[in-house]
This record gives sequence, structure tokens and C-alpha cells, in this order.
Amino acid sequence: GEDVEQSLFLSVREGDSSVINCTYTDSSSTYLYWYKQEPGAGLQLLTYIFSNMDMKQDQRLTVLLNKKDKHLSLRIADTQTGDSAIYFCAESTGTASKLTFGTGTRLQVTL
Amino acid sequence: NAGVTQTPKFQVLKTGQSMTLQCAQDMNHNSMYWYRQDPGMGLRLIYYSASEGTTDKGEVPNGYNVSRLNKREFSLRLESAAPSQTSVYFCASSGRGLAGVDTQYFGPGTRLTVL
Repeated sequence: GEDVEQSLFLSVREGDSSVINCTYTDSSSTYLYWYKQEPGAGLQLLTYIFSNMDMKQDQRLTVLLNKKDKHLSLRIADTQTGDSAIYFCAESTGTASKLTFGTGTRLQVTL
Repeated sequence: NAGVTQTPKFQVLKTGQSMTLQCAQDMNHNSMYWYRQDPGMGLRLIYYSASEGTTDKGEVPNGYNVSRLNKREFSLRLESAAPSQTSVYFCASSGRGLAGVDTQYFGPGTRLTVL
């Protein structure tokens, strides 16, 4: 079955770049997503990448996809305290039905 | 637009009690989902409904039932609550979002404690 793995915790200083990593096992994944969860809230979609892309940039966010190694990363440039949250990667195989989520990475931004 | 709404936000139950978690969306989405979130385990799918009138089991359906009342509403019922069902429950719906990509939209969650 599908499996998506992430490290549980990352701490960075304000102003530095953050890189959150994710590995997945389903080679038929079509879309891969990054969601952000702030304390006490639901998940919000940050960005996504289609499986035939290598990179996608959206303002401070850069998504890199290595399909051969089934590795996905999210880079946040100039990390701010407001970026402190849990970040989930997720994969789907066509529609948004039955997304498989990773365990989430808690990003802590220190001053 | 309210998006996806859930009630209640918090609930404390005793073992064996029953309750229904309510979810509604106003985005005219066909598909709706119920997840539970536990520390270190990410989100796990309990049940989903691909369209009005249909429901299917997800990864962890035991101890739960669902009803897709109409296109807008999808409820989750715990018939006899157990401490293992202490969790945060999220409802989601899916439809075309960013640049036409199918996207799931989440409610704010219900924090349930079973004593």
C-alpha cells in the first residue's frame, strides 16, 4: 500500500531557509501536495506539484520532486515566525479522493 | 463562503456514550471525507463519500458509521465511544481548486476526548 514518511521536527532561525522532506512509495502518484496546519486549525493547501514536474516555485516556496527516488521537498525561503506550523505532504493517484498523508513535520522558528 | 464547517468544536464523552459529528460544505463538492489525527500518525481516513448516496470505508472505519445526508452534509457517528477514539476529527470536501487541480478543503476540526 501507499506510505508517506516525514521527519517529525525541524527547528530553524528566523530569516534562514527551511527544508522539509518527504518520501513516498506509490510510483503511480499523479499529484503531490503540501498542506500547512497552524495550531488549533484545520489543514490548508500550500502548494502542489504534478508528477511530471521537477520543480515548482511560488513566492517563498519551492517544491522539488525527485520521481526516481520518490522524494519530495518543500523549501521555505526567509522563514518567519508565522511559518511555525505542522507541514504535511500528501499524495494522490488521480483525483483528490483518498489522499495519503505523511505524519507531518513540526516546524519551529526561533528568533 | 464558509467552506467546510464542523460542529461541535470540542466534546468530552464517557466510555459507551454515543454522539454524531456534523460536517457541511457550501462549495457544491461531490466528495467528502472524515479523518482522524493522532500525534505522530498524520491523518488517517475513516470514511469517505464520493457522491451523494454513496459511502466507503477508509483506513480505520471500525467503531464509526457515516451518513451522507445530502450533497452538503456528511456526518460521523460514534455508537459506543471508547478511549481509543480520543482524537481530533477533520472533515474535508474535494473539488477543483488551484489551477483546476483537485484539492481537498478541510474544516477546523472537532477535538474529542473519551474518558
